[in-house]
Amino acid sequence: GAGVSQTPSNKVTEKGKYVELRCDPISGHTALYWYRQSLGQGPEFLIYFQGTGAADDSGLPNDRFFAVRPEGSVSTLKIQRTERGDSAVYLCASSLRASGGKSSNEQFFGPGTRLTVL
Amino acid sequence: TQLLEQSPQFLSIQEGENLTVYCNSSSVFSSLQWYRQEPGEGPVLLVTVVTGGEVKKLKRLTFQFGDARKDSSLHITAAQPGDTGLYLCAGAWGANNLFFGTGTRLTVIP
Repeated sequence: GAGVSQTPSNKVTEKGKYVELRCDPISGHTALYWYRQSLGQGPEFLIYFQGTGAADDSGLPNDRFFAVRPEGSVSTLKIQRTERGDSAVYLCASSLRASGGKSSNEQFFGPGTRLTVL
Repeated sequence: TQLLEQSPQFLSIQEGENLTVYCNSSSVFSSLQWYRQEPGEGPVLLVTVVTGGEVKKLKRLTFQFGDARKDSSLHITAAQPGDTGLYLCAGAWGANNLFFGTGTRLTVIP
């Protein structure tokens, strides 16, 4: 399909384990965003890439969270030593270029990965 | 920390009724967006408002941006069951990420 895809759709892991979540953006989109959505809440910004570099990682909650986008397309969100509080839906979005909230640079969201830490 | 507060948090109405959802903040935004999210899917953009006082209409949906660009409202006329979903507002400060509101979960009963 032509939309943003995320894998896996569901991930169940045990406390203390390492997980990787993958995002395939829309082809040609240079900007990529990661958000986290806890139950009953709106999405919370984590990190934003422009090309290969992380332009803003101010939303990452701590150093257990890391994300990469080595070739400027696919991105991987990595979580070390998972904790039960990390359980949430992790959303990825892409836009043609940096968004700034302008409609011409609309962010398109993937379906998310539901992470459950037991 | 949620910079944008939405009200009501939950809303259940009968088909054909009108409703208004509010999005409020103490911060000024360069633009504000409204999204609808259905279970198991990501949010889908409905509209972006940029100018203070701006009003945009999308079929039965009317969006308004406050004069001071701190708040917004979404009004739905003659709600349909297909309008059921989670409505999210999101503000931007001219930066490259969005700050989402707490969400309003709407259920329209046939």
